[in-house]
Amino acid sequence: NAGVTQTPKFQVLKTGQSMTLQCAQDMNHEYMSWYRQDPGMGLRLIHYSVGAGITDQGEVPNGYNVSRSTTEDFPLRLLSAAPSQTSVYFCASSYPPKLAKETQYFGPGTRLLVL
Amino acid sequence: SQQGEEDPQALSIQEGENATMNCSYKTSINNLQWYRQNSGRGLVHLILIRSNEREKHSGRLRVTLDTSKKSSSLLITASRAADTASYFCATAPSGGYQKVTFGTGTKLQVIP
Repeated sequence: NAGVTQTPKFQVLKTGQSMTLQCAQDMNHEYMSWYRQDPGMGLRLIHYSVGAGITDQGEVPNGYNVSRSTTEDFPLRLLSAAPSQTSVYFCASSYPPKLAKETQYFGPGTRLLVL
Repeated sequence: SQQGEEDPQALSIQEGENATMNCSYKTSINNLQWYRQNSGRGLVHLILIRSNEREKHSGRLRVTLDTSKKSSSLLITASRAADTASYFCATAPSGGYQKVTFGTGTKLQVIP
């Protein structure tokens, strides 16, 4: 198993540009989530999904969209990048059943710099 | 807002010593988890303790949970240089699908 994979590893954007961060898992996990990590802030939940076709907002959803058309993939879209979105983004997935309460498996992260 | 707050923010010890870090949280939880993050990497799950448990061990790790004080501690015994990392607690609130919340982390440095 590849586990949780994220692409790209690093991205530089200009203010106002849009992009999609990709996340995929091959463990048949129902729960997937996106976090951002900023210095001194720990991880903050952006959006999460409890299964294909079902998504919900986390703590800091503004400026981001998600969709979950398949169990495996959970892309995160930045609609119009802003410097405040400069961060490291982590995708995670969780063991069945549909509860994020259990162990989460993290991808390696995407470093995003918005100029 | 952050649910969990770790203390201390940074800790530096000699190899072989024990390292203790603490986590406090605000609301009722289903469980509390500890994760490790090596520099520039994703988080790795270490241990999970449920709200009805008071202590749990895994290898050199010992976790305690005091739900009356809304706090947990992680003890790493006989630390090694490879334990150098940031450690985060994460809380899962009671009931339903929920939003796991991470604390701000403790940065541990183990000096060889």
